[in-house]
Amino acid sequence: RKEVEQDPGPFNVPEGATVAFNCTYSNSASQSFFWYRQDCRKEPKLLMSVYSSGNEDGRFTAQLNRASQYISLLIRDSKLSDSATYLCVVTRGSTLGRLYFGRGTQLTVWP
Amino acid sequence: GAGVSQSPSNKVTEKGKDVELRCDPISGHTALYWYRQSLGQGLEFLIYFQGNSAPDKSGLPSDRFSAERTGGSVSTLTIQRTQQEDSAVYLCANPPPGWSGGMGTEQYFGPGTRLTVT
Repeated sequence: RKEVEQDPGPFNVPEGATVAFNCTYSNSASQSFFWYRQDCRKEPKLLMSVYSSGNEDGRFTAQLNRASQYISLLIRDSKLSDSATYLCVVTRGSTLGRLYFGRGTQLTVWP
Repeated sequence: GAGVSQSPSNKVTEKGKDVELRCDPISGHTALYWYRQSLGQGLEFLIYFQGNSAPDKSGLPSDRFSAERTGGSVSTLTIQRTQQEDSAVYLCANPPPGWSGGMGTEQYFGPGTRLTVT
């Protein structure tokens, strides 16, 4: 079983829609959690960290459920520019900071 | 520049040849990671450097892969006798400055080297 599992999508939504992505991780020792965004043929870029209490950054809201080992990302009022692949990422304390990536969820926002 | 840079941006090589991929990290960052992203696969960890030493090489897929870092700065990933399955994007990343191996943190990626083995 992969360390981090994501629904690959693709998700195709109209502008203005709300879309949610889910992610599960298999190792209960996972320590830090992130969502990255990757545009086509570009490097991954940090979108936001995910905290236990949940956190929001503008139209983006991230949630973490440690008991269920589940992470989510909610995008409200989708923009065309949100079209990208969203990567769920975790770290473990025992592995010197290496990042464990899900395969990503592809989002296309159409006009 | 302010970010991680990598060269070359694209590399096409024939099967069996050796290649060297270069990473210029953010100035002053002691920690450096290499990852690769194969078509249809997620990013996979290859190796971690702290300064010039590599405390974790466990992600290197075979002994054809090696990496070094000199002066706590530039790192080179070498693939010997390349195979078609080595075709991937190779990415280098730094955590924030001053991070020294404790609790995991975000990393900042270079643009990658796209390697194609024909």
